[in-house]
Amino acid sequence: EVQLVQSGTEIKKPGESLKISCKGSGYTFHNHYITWVRQMPGKGLEWMGIIYPDDSEVTYSPSFRGQVTFSVDKSISTAYLQWTSLKASDTAIYYCARRHFMDVWGNGTSVTVSS
Amino acid sequence: QSVLTQPPSVSAAPGRKVTISCSGSSSNIGNNPVSWYQQLPGTAPKLLIYDSNKRPSGIPDRFSGSKSGTSATLDITGLQNGDEADYFCATWDNSLSPGGVFGGGTKLTVL
Repeated sequence: EVQLVQSGTEIKKPGESLKISCKGSGYTFHNHYITWVRQMPGKGLEWMGIIYPDDSEVTYSPSFRGQVTFSVDKSISTAYLQWTSLKASDTAIYYCARRHFMDVWGNGTSVTVSS
Repeated sequence: QSVLTQPPSVSAAPGRKVTISCSGSSSNIGNNPVSWYQQLPGTAPKLLIYDSNKRPSGIPDRFSGSKSGTSATLDITGLQNGDEADYFCATWDNSLSPGGVFGGGTKLTVL
């Protein structure tokens, strides 16, 4: 079964750093793009960007460029989304999904940033 | 303000048909395939339609998609209570900063 399993809930303070993960299984991980999507509380879906695991080529949405970093570790079929200095406005659920057209979704990671 | 425009809400009675629209432009829907997602309350989105009109395995044929020009449509027939959810369209945008774009989402209420 093709799955993307994301890391658990995070509660952080403003200014802290964070790295969340998305582990793929049941398919050849490095051959398929991983898309990252944000969903702020009570709001719709926002496309953050995409990474190709085989060569780590990344495209960021202008809204997120410079605010987050995508990375992968092919050896463990895992993609990462990281922040160096969180803000309260980063509070959201973050999803990873496979491919440009997002055929398989992770379970989501809830991130709360509050002092 | 989303790049793709969807109605905020639609409603219909069980057994009826509902249509959800998604309007874009030549830089996105006009030149790229559209996907549709269903998000049940408290869950991750699920792919319903890709390549504008294809269903992944396991998606009932009550769900169908189409595209014409710079607009796309998701039709749901034989509405069931379990269809009550948020629905999102998405596609690629070939503008100055190419990337994916979503519609604002449509809340379907089954009356």
